[in-house]
Amino acid sequence: QVQLVQSGVEVKKPGASVKVSCKASGYNFIGYYIHWVRQAPGHGLEWMGWINPNNGGIYYAQKFQGRVTMTRDTSISTAYMDLKRLQSDDTAVYYCAREDIGGYYHYWGQGTLVTVSS
Amino acid sequence: DIVMTQSPDSLAVSLGERATINCKSSQSILYTSNNKNNLAWYQQKPGQPPKLLIYWASTRESGVPDRFSGSGSGTDFTLTISGLQAEDVAVYYCQQFYTTPRTFGQGTRLEIK
Repeated sequence: QVQLVQSGVEVKKPGASVKVSCKASGYNFIGYYIHWVRQAPGHGLEWMGWINPNNGGIYYAQKFQGRVTMTRDTSISTAYMDLKRLQSDDTAVYYCAREDIGGYYHYWGQGTLVTVSS
Repeated sequence: DIVMTQSPDSLAVSLGERATINCKSSQSILYTSNNKNNLAWYQQKPGQPPKLLIYWASTRESGVPDRFSGSGSGTDFTLTISGLQAEDVAVYYCQQFYTTPRTFGQGTRLEIK
């Protein structure tokens, strides 16, 4: 069965970076885009960008350009989201999601809580 | 960017009654080439990732109870829950996948009256 398993809780200080992983299993990793979506406490869903695992192509939301880097390692079917220069308002649960052929998200990771605090 | 606006922000409905959530996009999300509206509905319960309920505006995901239905076209869409159950308490989001950047509505919190 399709699974996306994310890395664990992170606590970071302002100005630091965080790298969240998303390990895929149960399907052909390079066949489906991986998107990243975050959710601040008590807030809605915010789309961050996507990566094409087949060729590494990326698209970032304008808000995160210059601060986010999405990569993948096809040998271990894992996608990564690296966010730099963290501030307190980056405190959120970060989700990876697999884009289905139609464009919607059937499969989601369990989420990774990133807390930014001095 | 396409702006997705949901209404209401919160909603309280009695058990067994109908809940209706609206979603409006700032531009049409209908692909005329295949006549499909590129809209999905998700349900999110506390501490869980979103769960796909509806895609193409009206196609129910496998395993989703048939009390959930989606309708609408172009820029105006509706999620209807007929015969509300206690387990339907959640936040519901619409999302357009017509173009990038992908955008979500702000969410509608559904509670039991």
